[in-house]
Amino acid sequence: AQSVAQPEDQVNVAEGNPLTVKCTYSVSGNPYLFWYVQYPNRGLQFLLKYITGDNLVKGSYGFEAEFNKSQTSFHLKKPSALVSDSALYFCAVRGDNNNDMRFGAGTRLTVKP
Amino acid sequence: EPEVTQTPSHQVTQMGQEVILRCVPISNHLYFYWYRQILGQKVEFLVSFYNNEISEKSEIFDDRFSVERPDGSNFTLKIRSTKLEDSAMYFCASSEGQGYTSPLHFGNGTRLTVT
Repeated sequence: AQSVAQPEDQVNVAEGNPLTVKCTYSVSGNPYLFWYVQYPNRGLQFLLKYITGDNLVKGSYGFEAEFNKSQTSFHLKKPSALVSDSALYFCAVRGDNNNDMRFGAGTRLTVKP
Repeated sequence: EPEVTQTPSHQVTQMGQEVILRCVPISNHLYFYWYRQILGQKVEFLVSFYNNEISEKSEIFDDRFSVERPDGSNFTLKIRSTKLEDSAMYFCASSEGQGYTSPLHFGNGTRLTVT
């Protein structure tokens, strides 16, 4: 079965600095990778996905993620963090033999002014 | 933009009672899901539903749980004989077309409190 690991419970960055939220995955077959963001008392919102093609994918709110097959990673990045980016971020994976999406444990991003 | 809607936003029930959580997925979506989140952290898969039957379910989805799409628009999760450990935020989600490449669209959740 597919699984995702987010090694950091918490990431703190200063506003204007680059941010990275890490994710590694395990899946049999082709990976389909997703990032979601959750604000307080809300559902998860889709940010971006990797299905095939370019390893660097761009998504909402200036976020991007880099797919690295050899390292089985899909780290979320943003060149310049905003205080409003502070939220809970989830990486998720599906395999091409599975319909259900499995989520990592989440990483709480705090951007300080 | 179309949304997944869930009702109620908060449900309180006594242990041993039955609850039904309701969801209206996005109208042209074909795949439906229930997830739960405990203490605002880990998001756990419960069940996926396609073509009026369960596609996959997790070990959490035991025989106290059931899902139904009774009328072509609503998608419900029923929990019988509720336990204290069922307390969580329950999220409904839907996706369109080729399910495994499509992102999930989530509702804002129902907070279930079992006392």
